[in-house]
Amino acid sequence: QVQLVQSGAEVKKPGSSVRVSCKAPGGTFSSFGLSWVRQAPGQGLEWMGRIVPILTVANYAQKFQGRVTITADRSTNTAYMEITSLRLQDTAIYYCARDVMGRNNAFHFDSWGQGTLVNVSS
Amino acid sequence: QSVLTQPPSVSAAPGQRVTISCSGRSSNIGSNHVSWYQQVPGTAPKLLIYDTFQRPSGIPDRFSASKSGTSATLGISGLQTGDEAEYFCATWDSTLSVVFGGGTKVTV
Repeated sequence: QVQLVQSGAEVKKPGSSVRVSCKAPGGTFSSFGLSWVRQAPGQGLEWMGRIVPILTVANYAQKFQGRVTITADRSTNTAYMEITSLRLQDTAIYYCARDVMGRNNAFHFDSWGQGTLVNVSS
Repeated sequence: QSVLTQPPSVSAAPGQRVTISCSGRSSNIGSNHVSWYQQVPGTAPKLLIYDTFQRPSGIPDRFSASKSGTSATLGISGLQTGDEAEYFCATWDSTLSVVFGGGTKVTV
C-alpha cells in the first residue's frame, strides 16, 4: 500500500468545473494505474476512469466520457481529475485509488486516497 | 442501480459467520477476478480480497472469498464488533470499465 494524498474539499456552483488532485509517493507511477471513484452521499462506489501515468493514456466509464478528464504529471507524481458542467448530482466524495491490472483482467485497487468532498450547490 | 447485486445488509452475533453474495454476469464476474473492499463510515475503502480469493498482507484469515460462475461470495468468520462496516465487491467488465456492487452493511 502507498499513501495517496488528495486536495481539500470544494464548493462549486452548477455549471462550473472542479479539479481534484492526488499526490503519490515517488515511484508509484512507474508501473501502476490511477483510478478515480466517487461516492454520492449514502450511496455506493462508482468508477469514473483511470490513467496509466507512464503511458499518459486515460480511459473513462461511458457515463463520464466527454465531461471528465484525468491527467497525470509524472514530474510531481500527481494525478488530476477534472469535471466540467457540474450538476447538483455530482455532489460526492471523490477518491483516487492506485489500481493494479494483472493478467486476464485481474483488477483491484490496493491503495486509496482520503477522499475529497465536492459539494455542488446553487 | 449498481451493475453487481449485493444484499443491502446482513447481521450476526459476535463470533458467528456471515456471507455476502455478489451477483453479476458472464461479462464481468463470469470472466474476471473479483475484489472486495471494506468501508468503515467516514473513511476510504480498504482492500480485503483481490484476485477472487487472495488476501493482502495484514488481512486476517477470518476473511475468505470464492467465486462460482457469475457470483462471488465473501465470508467473515469469528465476527467482531470491529467488522461493522460496508462491504463492496468489484470486478472488471467487458465494457472496459470497473463495476461495483451496491454495498452490504454488516451489523454485529
